[in-house]
Amino acid sequence: QSALTQPPSASGSPGQSVTISCTGTSSDVGSYTYVSWYQQHPGKAPKLIIFGVSQRPSGVPDRFSGSRSGNTASLTVSGLQAEDEADYYCSSYAGNDNFVFGTGTKVTVL
Amino acid sequence: QVQLVQSGAEVTKPGSSVRVSCQASGDTFNSYTITWVRQAPGQGLEWMGRVIPIFNITNYAPKFQGRVTFSADRSTSTSFMELTRLRSEDTAVYYCAREDDRRLQAFDYWGPGTPVTVSS
Repeated sequence: QSALTQPPSASGSPGQSVTISCTGTSSDVGSYTYVSWYQQHPGKAPKLIIFGVSQRPSGVPDRFSGSRSGNTASLTVSGLQAEDEADYYCSSYAGNDNFVFGTGTKVTVL
Repeated sequence: QVQLVQSGAEVTKPGSSVRVSCQASGDTFNSYTITWVRQAPGQGLEWMGRVIPIFNITNYAPKFQGRVTFSADRSTSTSFMELTRLRSEDTAVYYCAREDDRRLQAFDYWGPGTPVTVSS
């Protein structure tokens, strides 16, 4: 089971937007709505920010949004804030009772 | 409030085994799946597998099949992850998380993580 592909890094100035891609295959991202995104600050456990491709749990700011096109899911963070600086991971169901995570993207707020 | 409380850090030798526990609050054990994820130093998240306590069903990632065992004790709402034949590459933080089918199998609550160090 190969990890989903994410860019290693992304950056933006405060107030700008940044979009992170998560590329899989027709056997995972492209086939299921079980795509989620997680934010992880250094030394902390991951936190769920998007589930079901584009849904936000309560308490997650609407600056975070998710989408999918074909085998690629995307996370957009609008109106970047200093506290958005973190690592972001996508995850997808991959069939046969298995899940897979993305390689992770470090977001820097300039 | 959902809480997942994990056991403390472990230091162990190559070839040995380690057992990490994850105790859940609320009705987690009766209604949800517990997933195990690990993160090696400076690396990304890696899905290891999961256990459905109410049915005692387990699923394992192919990479760990045969070397990891998940179990669940419903009387104490505790899940266990045992990893055997440890090698240095197993040095990582091991997380348990709740998988919620109402949130399309997302991992919505996480434990704080248990650092495991494998060193001779």
